[in-house]
Amino acid sequence: AQSVDQPDAHVTLSEGASLELRCSYSYSAAPYLFWYVQYPGQSLQFLLKYITGDTVVKGTKGFEAEFRKSNSSFNLKKSPAHWSDSAKYFCALETTEGADRLTFGKGTQLIIQP
Amino acid sequence: EAAVTQSPRNKVAVTGGKVTLSCNQTNNHNNMYWYRQDTGHGLRLIHYSYGAGSTEKGDIPDGYKASRPSQENFSLILELATPSQTSVYFCASGGTANTGQLYFGEGSKLTVL
Repeated sequence: AQSVDQPDAHVTLSEGASLELRCSYSYSAAPYLFWYVQYPGQSLQFLLKYITGDTVVKGTKGFEAEFRKSNSSFNLKKSPAHWSDSAKYFCALETTEGADRLTFGKGTQLIIQP
Repeated sequence: EAAVTQSPRNKVAVTGGKVTLSCNQTNNHNNMYWYRQDTGHGLRLIHYSYGAGSTEKGDIPDGYKASRPSQENFSLILELATPSQTSVYFCASGGTANTGQLYFGEGSKLTVL
């Protein structure tokens, strides 16, 4: 079965720093990969996706992510980080077997200090 | 703008009672989903649906039923609520690989005493 691992439960950075949130996955074939963000007290919002093609994908709010098949990773990046980026970030995987369902990681709580 | 609305937003139930969480979407999406969010677990899929009349078991379906009477509505039913079902529940629509995007509702906070 497929799985998603976000090894960092919490990440704290200073405003203006570069952020990189880690995500690794386990799946036998090339998956579809997503990042979602949850601001405090809100629901989840879509940030970006990798389906096929270019391994660096750009999304909303200035975020981008790089798909690396060699180490099964899909890390989220942004530079510089802003205090308003403080939120919980979820990486998710969808298999290419047509089930139309996402498997989420446990999330990374990001705190950007002014 | 895609819209998914959930009701109730907050619910306190007693152990053994019946709880129904409702979800309505105006996106005309075929797929709808129910997730629960718990600290340390992220989001876990309970049930999902491919369209009216269809329900599928997700990763943690035990203790839950689902109903999809129409394209717009998808309900999650707890026939005999237990304290372990205290959680925040999210409904979502969308979700095909082609669209790549789930639209989430605002969440329903359920407390079972």
